[in-house]
Amino acid sequence: QVQLVESGGGLVKPGGSLRLSCAASGFRFSDYSMSWIRQAPGKGLEWISYISDASRRMSYADSVRGRFTVSRDDARNFLYLQLNSLRAEDTAVYYCATESYYRFDSWGQGTQVTVSS
Amino acid sequence: QSALTQPPSASGSPGQSVTISCTGTSSDVGGYNYVSWYQQHPDKAPKLMIYEVTKRPSGVPDRFSGSKSGNTASLTVTGLQAEDEADYYCSSSAGNNNLRVFGTGTKVTVL
Repeated sequence: QVQLVESGGGLVKPGGSLRLSCAASGFRFSDYSMSWIRQAPGKGLEWISYISDASRRMSYADSVRGRFTVSRDDARNFLYLQLNSLRAEDTAVYYCATESYYRFDSWGQGTQVTVSS
Repeated sequence: QSALTQPPSASGSPGQSVTISCTGTSSDVGGYNYVSWYQQHPDKAPKLMIYEVTKRPSGVPDRFSGSKSGNTASLTVTGLQAEDEADYYCSSSAGNNNLRVFGTGTKVTVL
């Protein structure tokens, strides 16, 4: 069955960087578009980035555009999110999810990112 | 890119029905039939419950149904059960720039 496992989260100072990974298994990863979604403590879900199959199209929420970069490695079945210029308001659990026609079918368990001095 | 508007809370007794609204604009909810709904229990990842306004993924009980009128989508849960107590989020396609947007979330309490 579909399995998505995020990693790479942690504690980072404001202005710092992190790279999140999402390991995919149980399905043909290269055929699927993917998204990153985050959830700040006690808050709602926020979609932040999308990447199509074959990396043909990428898009970002206004809140992260210019600071975060999504990429994928179809040979290794990995999705990535590079987080730069981190701010306190980026503190959240970050989920990766498969996406089909704007629906998020399968989700990982999430990885915690904490931005604090 | 503003979040879709949902009521903060909704409640019902076991066996009753509850309906949650999700209000957007003609640039998101009203402009596309790509509204989906997610259920999230505490400290768990969200789960897809409804997609493309009215469709249910395999395994989701038919007690869950979706609809849309104009710029407002709705999720109805009939025959409420204790395990339906959770947070619910809508999401939608949001314009021509390949964006997506979530709702503010609704906490459903089974009394």
